[in-house]
This record gives sequence, structure tokens and C-alpha cells, in this order.
Amino acid sequence: DAKTTQPPSMDCAEGRAANLPCNHSTISGNEYVYWYRQIHSQGPQYIIHGLKNNETNEMASLIITEDRKSSTLILPHATLRDTAVYYCIVKEGATHGANSKLTFGKGITLSVRP
Amino acid sequence: GAVVSQHPSRVICKSGTSVKIECRSLDFQATTMFWYRQFPKKSLMLMATSNEGSKATYEQGVEKDKFLINHASLTLSTLTVTSAHPEDSSFYICSASFATSGRAIHEQYFGPGTRLTVT
Repeated sequence: DAKTTQPPSMDCAEGRAANLPCNHSTISGNEYVYWYRQIHSQGPQYIIHGLKNNETNEMASLIITEDRKSSTLILPHATLRDTAVYYCIVKEGATHGANSKLTFGKGITLSVRP
Repeated sequence: GAVVSQHPSRVICKSGTSVKIECRSLDFQATTMFWYRQFPKKSLMLMATSNEGSKATYEQGVEKDKFLINHASLTLSTLTVTSAHPEDSSFYICSASFATSGRAIHEQYFGPGTRLTVT
């Protein structure tokens, strides 16, 4: 799996957009970008994934650069409950009947302040 | 949907005893389950991958005779920490995924974790 690089921490004000960057300069053509988050003392939670197009769901938006070497996770209106460690992971998409493992890095700690 | 539970949420045991942790997929059939371990202020480390009905695949450095994994059904996997020692104290987390025909499976669903303390 390609490695990712994330800043160790960032903060943002409640109600503002939180833009979390991730570098994955060695990503290969069949690898997806995944984002998970882990709130303190809980199991991780899937947020979103993408291959090359930008993606949006009810939780967040994922913007992937055209060369796919970096991406940004956007939480449009951060709340205090979004305070967590956010992990950017690159891996191949699963195929029928199988699932590839996730390798967690250190992630980025997002602190949302009132 | 896609809920994964773990039991117990916390357990304290004495050194030398064995502890079993259960991981259940409540509303889907999990073809693959993963077990992770997380030490304080550290990231999750994958311990093993198990597919229903077959032996688990352990990551390098994880003792398979110490961490026994059973995935006997599509909704249940268990992790047994045998002869536990204080250094096994950690946060153990399972995750589950499922396969369907015609669609790649991207999401893994995580349990809430089990805090093990060995005294």
C-alpha cells in the first residue's frame, strides 16, 4: 500500500469548514483514498472514499487532485462532536469475495473549538 | 445498518489467565473480520485477518498461539488472549466487511472496542 502523510494536528472553529489535507504522492492507479475517523476511546468510523473524482456524502466531501497525489477531506460545518483523529488511507479497492486490510498511520488530530 | 458489537467493553483479568473477546456483526453477514490492537496514544495495529470458516492470517510479529482467533460463523468472531500478561493490556478493536457479487466492497465497519487490563 502507498503511504500517506498528514499533519499531526489542526483546529477549527465550530460551524466553520474543516479542511484536512493528505499527501499520497506514490499512489498507484488502482488504489483508492479512504478516510476514517476515531473519536476518543471508540472504534474507527468510515467517512468516505474516492478513486479520482470528487465525492460527497452526508458526512463530508473528498477532493482529490487531478494527479491524485493529494486529497482534502472537507467537513463543511464542523461541530464539537467532530473532534477526533482522522486517518487518510490508500489501498486497493476490494474485489468480489475479498477485502484488503487497512493500514493506519498516525492520522491528524482535529480539535473543534467552541 | 452495518453495526458491529463487541463484548465485553471492558475486562480486567489476572496475569496468566485467558480472556475471550467477542465480535458480532448485527445486521449483515461478515465474510471477513479483522482484529486490531491499539496502545495509548498510538495508532491501530492490525493483528490478524479472518475469513469465515478458515484459519486466520496473522500479521508479522503477532503470536498466533497466544492470540487465538475463531471465525466460525458469518456473524461472530472471537479473539482469545491466552496466558495474558500486563504487556497485553490494550484496546482491542474488531472490524467486519462483507462481499457481494458485482460490487467492490470498500467500507469496513468497526466495533466499539474492548479495553483489556491485565493485573
